[in-house]
Amino acid sequence: GQNIDQPTEMTATEGAIVQINCTYQTSGFNGLFWYQQHAGEAPTFLSYNVLDGLEEKGRFSSFLSRSKGYSYLLLKELQMKDSASYLCAVRDGAAGNKLTFGGGTRVLVKP
Amino acid sequence: EAQVTQNPRYLITVTGKKLTVTCSQNMNHEYMSWYRQDPGLGLRQIYYSMNVEVTDKGDVPEGYKVSRKEKRNFPLILESPSPNQTSLYFCASSPDRGLGQPQHFGDGTRLSIL
Repeated sequence: GQNIDQPTEMTATEGAIVQINCTYQTSGFNGLFWYQQHAGEAPTFLSYNVLDGLEEKGRFSSFLSRSKGYSYLLLKELQMKDSASYLCAVRDGAAGNKLTFGGGTRVLVKP
Repeated sequence: EAQVTQNPRYLITVTGKKLTVTCSQNMNHEYMSWYRQDPGLGLRQIYYSMNVEVTDKGDVPEGYKVSRKEKRNFPLILESPSPNQTSLYFCASSPDRGLGQPQHFGDGTRLSIL
């Protein structure tokens, strides 16, 4: 099985940077996804990591360390519209590539 | 426009009255999945399908059924709904279950079982 942990909630100021951590335990790691979900809406894909290192996409970056079972999502130059939940999801190659989601981190951006 | 469409978006019904939530995707995706989302529990997979006529249980399949007679459709059936199935449901699809393929989600169906 898989165990995925991320903080429940974080607060940050507009224009600042926030780092959302995700730790996982899985028997057959085969990729990690980050999704954004605004309240009551569908999750939307942000980033994908399968190799160690940093993936950058505009204001959003995601980092992976497979040996530590650790990833983070970095949100820079925060905007009010970034207030949302951020979901970490891990794919387990030992379980037919099943995707398991963490509980999500709610980020509140304040003016 | 590439999309996953769920219907209905909202439903209030009573215990024991059979209901079906439809899901359709127009991207020719092989893999489809149903999730429920509850506060504090995140997205939990109910059932998934890797292709036509191939379905399998996820983490919380009890009380649900699915079918995959056509590639584009993956309905979720609650034969005898109960209040603990009150939740927000999402259907998702992806080209396959392999590497680097993000899932595309429908807009969600909010079910209330009284």
